[in-house]
Amino acid sequence: QQQVKQSPQSLIVQKGGISIINCAYENTAFDYFPWYQQFPGKGPALLIAIRPDVSEKKEGRFTISFNKSAKQFSLHIMDSQPGDSATYFCAASVDQGAQKLVFGQGTRLTINP
Amino acid sequence: GAVVSQHPSRVICKSGTSVKIECRSLDFQATTMFWYRQFPKQSLMLMATSNEGSKATYEQGVEKDKFLINHASLTLSTLTVTSAHPEDSSFYICSAPRGGISTDTQYFGPGTRLTVL
Repeated sequence: QQQVKQSPQSLIVQKGGISIINCAYENTAFDYFPWYQQFPGKGPALLIAIRPDVSEKKEGRFTISFNKSAKQFSLHIMDSQPGDSATYFCAASVDQGAQKLVFGQGTRLTINP
Repeated sequence: GAVVSQHPSRVICKSGTSVKIECRSLDFQATTMFWYRQFPKQSLMLMATSNEGSKATYEQGVEKDKFLINHASLTLSTLTVTSAHPEDSSFYICSAPRGGISTDTQYFGPGTRLTVL
């Protein structure tokens, strides 16, 4: 019940295209859903996060879509750029970010020039 | 700029020795910090929750006597890998929520690459 399932494992997108990564969860107590971006040899960096009281949040080229009834959320990267090539992790936690995060398996995104 | 730092960034040690990794919150106080381990091309696995002024709480399967955690102050938590073995080689990352219990931002350190020979 604590798992967060992420797909796909890897994704290749052409420059300028839309990258879409999906996550699903079981624990209805989760109330905070962040996405992290990680470059090789570095720690994860918060990209964007959403709470279950809204269905969508957009920051620049990054959008989170949230479906509470389906217990799913997704990250959309518009106009994908080679610099977006990284590993992306979705996560979830209870009591917002103050509690331990449960991470998805990660998606290795490659943007071809 | 970075709000959570780790030291060292890389360490190589011989089997059987102990290694200490520091995690600092740079411009905020953190009563709670988290320690993760990440194997190559895998996700982050939570090892333990570091609590200032009290004992750390460990996730199932993590040996508390092997991975000693000390949260000595509101800005510093340390992870000591005791009697390290090659299977302990991994990327260790800490994180801290900023702003106390009602924050929604958890910041991660840059990680420490441990290699045990």
